[in-house]
Amino acid sequence: GESVGLHLPTLSVQEGDNSIINCAYSNSASDYFIWYKQESGKGPQFIIDIRSNMDKRQGQRVTVLLNKTVKHLSLQIAATQPGDSAVYFCAENTLNTGNQFYFGTGTSLTVIP
Amino acid sequence: DTGVSQDPRHKITKRGQNVTFRCDPISEHNRLYWYRQTLGQGPEFLTYFQNEAQLEKSRLLSDRFSAERPKGSFSTLEIQRTEQGDSAMYLCASSLGFTTQETQYFGPGTRLLVL
Repeated sequence: GESVGLHLPTLSVQEGDNSIINCAYSNSASDYFIWYKQESGKGPQFIIDIRSNMDKRQGQRVTVLLNKTVKHLSLQIAATQPGDSAVYFCAENTLNTGNQFYFGTGTSLTVIP
Repeated sequence: DTGVSQDPRHKITKRGQNVTFRCDPISEHNRLYWYRQTLGQGPEFLTYFQNEAQLEKSRLLSDRFSAERPKGSFSTLEIQRTEQGDSAMYLCASSLGFTTQETQYFGPGTRLLVL
C-alpha cells in the first residue's frame, strides 16, 4: 500500500525565522506531490505542488524540494509569520492510481511571536 | 465565495440514525471527491465523480455509505445506520476534470459526531 509519512509531528519556530517541514514517501512511482495547509476547523488549503520531472519549485515565501533518490519532499517557508501556524500535509499521487491522493499524517507548525 | 462549499458544517447524531451531507464544487469543476479525516490524521480518499459518474470507490466506503451526483453539479454523501466510528470530518474537493493528476481544492468540511 501507499505510505506517506512526515518526520516530525510538531515544529515550533520564532516569527521571522525560516521553517522546513519534511515528508518521506515510499512509492518510487509517485510522480505528483502537493503541500496543503490546514488551519483548525477548516479544510486543507493548496499551497504548492511539484511534479517528478522537477526538483525544486518556488512560490510566494514557499519552496518545495523533491529528492527522488531518497524519496523525500520538503516545504520551506521563508520569514514565518503567525498566520502560518497550521498543520501541513504532503499528498502524493501516482499516475497509475488516477485521482487518489495519499496524505501523510501532518506536521503541526507553531509560530512563536 | 466561489470555492467549494459544504453543508452542514457540523452534525451531531445518535448512533443508528441516517445523515446526509451536501457538497457544492467550484462551478466550472467537473470532478468531485469525498475524503474522510479523523483527528490527527490526513484525509483518506473515499470516492470521486467525473460529472455525474462515480468512477472510483475506496475500500473505506462501506455499504452504509452512498454518494450521488445526479446532475453533475452538487453531490450528497449519505451514511446509513451511523456508528460511533463514523465520527470524523468529511471533506469534499473538486478539480477541473480534464486531465489526470489535477490539483484538488477542498471545502471546509462537515464535522460529524455520532453519540
